[in-house]
Amino acid sequence: EPEVTQTPSHQVTQMGQEVILRCVPISNHLYFYWYRQILGQKVEFLVSFYNNEISEKSEIFDDQFSVERPDGSNFTLKIRSTKLEDSAMYFCASSEQGAQMGQPQHFGDGTRLSIL
Amino acid sequence: QQQVKQSPQSLIVQKGGISIINCAYENTAFDYFPWYQQFPGKGPALLIAIRPDVSEKKEGRFTISFNKSAKQFSLHIMDSQPGDSATYFCAASRPGANNLFFGTGTRLTVIP
Repeated sequence: EPEVTQTPSHQVTQMGQEVILRCVPISNHLYFYWYRQILGQKVEFLVSFYNNEISEKSEIFDDQFSVERPDGSNFTLKIRSTKLEDSAMYFCASSEQGAQMGQPQHFGDGTRLSIL
Repeated sequence: QQQVKQSPQSLIVQKGGISIINCAYENTAFDYFPWYQQFPGKGPALLIAIRPDVSEKKEGRFTISFNKSAKQFSLHIMDSQPGDSATYFCAASRPGANNLFFGTGTRLTVIP
C-alpha cells in the first residue's frame, strides 16, 4: 500500500538555526498538509497546500514557517529560525481530494524535531 | 469555535469488552468526523469516518455513533483486543476547508 514517507525521523537543531523537514506524499495525491504534535498533546494543523500554493494555514504557521514543493515528489516544511517551543513531532499528510470530499488524509510516521 | 473535546484521556478495558470514546464539538458547520488510531512511533491512521447525515456507521468491530443535536459523536470498539491498544483521536473538518481539528486523544489499553 502506498505510504507517505518523511525524513529524517529525528532532527536535532540548535535554537536559531534553520531546519527543513522533508516529505514524499503518495504519488497521485493532490492535497498536502503539515501537522505538529507537541509531546503528549493533540495533533495541530499547520498548513495545507494545493495546486502549488497554500490553501489554508493556522495561527501557528507564522512567518518563520514556509512550505514548498520543489519538484514533483517532495513536499518540504522549513522553519527559518527555530525556537525551543518548535520542539514537536511534525507529521506530513496527503489526500487525493480535500477533507470536505470525505477523502482520508494519510499520515507519515513523522519527524521528531528537538531544539536545543 | 474550532475546538473538539475528547474524553476520557485514558481508558483500560478487559479483552473482549467494549471500549467507548466520546467527542463533542462546538462548530455546527463541521460536516466530516473521522477517527484516527495512532501506535507509538507512528503517524495517525484513519480508522473510520462519518458525515452528519447518518447517525451510525459500522466497520467490523468499530462503530461511530453520531448525535447531531447534541453535537457529540463516539467511537465504540466491540470485542476489544490487546492489539487495539493505541491512542485514538477524533477529528472534524468543515465544508470548504481541508484541515482537520483533532481532539486531545484517548490512550486505550486492552488487558488480556
